[in-house]
This record gives sequence, structure tokens and C-alpha cells, in this order.
Amino acid sequence: GAGVSQSPRYKVTKRGQDVALRCDPISGHVSLYWYRQALGQGPEFLTYFNYEAQQDKSGLPNDRFSAERPEGSISTLTIQRTEQRDSAMYRCASSLDGISDEQYFGPGTRLTVT
Amino acid sequence: TQLLEQSPQFLSIQEGENLTVYCNSSSVFSSLQWYRQEPGEGPVLLVTVVTGGEVKKLKRLTFQFGDARKDSSLHITAAQPGDTGLYLCAGGIETGNQFYFGTGTSLTVIP
Repeated sequence: GAGVSQSPRYKVTKRGQDVALRCDPISGHVSLYWYRQALGQGPEFLTYFNYEAQQDKSGLPNDRFSAERPEGSISTLTIQRTEQRDSAMYRCASSLDGISDEQYFGPGTRLTVT
Repeated sequence: TQLLEQSPQFLSIQEGENLTVYCNSSSVFSSLQWYRQEPGEGPVLLVTVVTGGEVKKLKRLTFQFGDARKDSSLHITAAQPGDTGLYLCAGGIETGNQFYFGTGTSLTVIP
């Protein structure tokens, strides 16, 4: 079956612009996670959802970052007024049920802010 | 904030050698997972350990969860070039809603 998909795969934007990153989890997966990953380092937790409910958003760097999953399936991570320090690989993952389940990762979105 | 510290950060060894990667925290984890990530790909789960003191074996890989559930180790016997990758421990702490990945260990096995 289809795995986790993310779009776009690459995004180049100018500083100050808003960007929206999309994640389409595995069908039927309850939990959805957003991470940010620097090259050669472990993913940094940003936020996660069970169904449409955001369980924790304390990992979001600041109030320019927000995420939603309105129908409990597709999720969007939005970064407003982008800054160069926001440049990173943004990864989405989903799991069948809960934070201790195996997470399946998408291919990521490489964001570059110029 | 990354609560899980891994050591070593980088490891380069010859094919056939053994190695151990450590994952340490001051927090208690309800369970710990080990993932392997190859360049350009997302992490892929290797194993989950749940009980303090638990040992799991996956072919040449042996995983151990510390008795106090604050640390874990991954031992690879007779490493092969196909083992090359970024190894990550990960887990959720008992008293929170976040999920943490370790700092990562980049392993290179030289043929």
C-alpha cells in the first residue's frame, strides 16, 4: 500500500513569505507527527496529532509555526514570515495508534529560505 | 530539546568488527525504539524495547534497554558495509506527550 507522502519535496522561498507543507499519512493511521531534521542529526520533534486533535505543540519553535489536521487525515505545517534559520528538512511520520507505535516516515520536504 | 544523547557521534570501522552504540538520558522512557536512516531517506524502525532490562536480538544486532529505562544500547556483531547508516534511538517519556529522537550515531563500515 501507499506510504506516507509529503509535498512539495523541495521548496525554495524568499524570506518573509509564508509556506505550507503537506503530509498525507498512511490510510487508517491515527497518529501523525511533524519533525525538523538537520543533516546527520536526529529528527527534532515539533508536534503530533491523534486523529484531528493536536496532542502537543510545545516543540514548535515559535508562534510563526502552526499545524493542523482538520479531518484527522492530511496535515499541513505552516510557517509564516519565513526566516533563513527555518531552512531545514521537514519530515512527517504516521503510526497506527499512539506515540509508542512504529512510525513510518515520509520522504520529507527540503525547505530553503533565501 | 533532545533528551537522548548518543555516543559515539561518528564511528568508522572495518568490515567484520564489532561495535556498540549507546543512548543515554536522565529521563525515564516508557519504551525505546531504534531506527536506522540511510542518506536521503526517512528513519526505519529496527526494534522497540519496552521492559527494563529487556534484550532483543535481530540477526547480528542486539538491543538492550536499561533496568531503569533511562538508557539503551545497540551492539552489532561482525559489521558489514550494508550496516552503514545513521542509527537513532527514540522514545516518549512517561510523563509527557512529546517524542524524542537521539542525537544520532553515523556508522560507516569499510569493506
